Amino acid sequence: QVHLQESGPGLVKPSETLSLTCTVSSGSISSYYWSWIRQPPGKGLEWIGYIYYSGSTNYNPSLKSRVAMSVDTSKNQFSLKVRSVTAADTAVYYCAREQKEYSNSPRYFDSWGQGTLVTVSS
Amino acid sequence: DIQMTQSPSTLSAFVGDSVTITCRASQSIGSWLAWYQQKPGKAPKLLIYKASSLESGVPSRFSGSGSGTEFTLTISSLQPDDFATYYCQQYPSYPYTFGQGTKLEIK
Repeated sequence: QVHLQESGPGLVKPSETLSLTCTVSSGSISSYYWSWIRQPPGKGLEWIGYIYYSGSTNYNPSLKSRVAMSVDTSKNQFSLKVRSVTAADTAVYYCAREQKEYSNSPRYFDSWGQGTLVTVSS
Repeated sequence: DIQMTQSPSTLSAFVGDSVTITCRASQSIGSWLAWYQQKPGKAPKLLIYKASSLESGVPSRFSGSGSGTEFTLTISSLQPDDFATYYCQQYPSYPYTFGQGTKLEIK
């Protein structure tokens, strides 16, 4: 059973960069797509984007101009950066693995990290 | 973006009841729909994918149906552990989008 764990600062100042890392254990990061999803307090879920183990990415257009993802296969980790944050970026941030039924089929989220709350405040 | 709309937003039921949650997509998504359960302070948990396929380890009292733009999640014989918030999600189209959630409360 793969395990995902988010890590990073819980408090970020407005206009600065939010940086999080997701560490994958009990499984390989290879051959999978990995996503970041966030949830503002008391609200619903928003997909931020994914990164493939090869490094290819796809971001939600709503955040695309401020988001960057990277992967380090040697450490079994992938990371998220969100630039120029505001209070609207305050949320629980989840990392998740994308799973598919067969080659080239659309993917859903089968494993999630526990989530980490990031608060944007001065 | 494909909009996902769930109804109702809140649902109250007794232990032992059967309940149904509806999810509508703003355009056809085939059968590429997932359902998740989320408890307070916890990450979402996958229940069903491809509209009706039960994830391994999920009790058989959970079932899903539908295709195109209308989908349902049915929970039969509600157990105390089932009281949570449920989300649908479409996944054939980027950006992936979720319904706003349905909170299932104990009556």
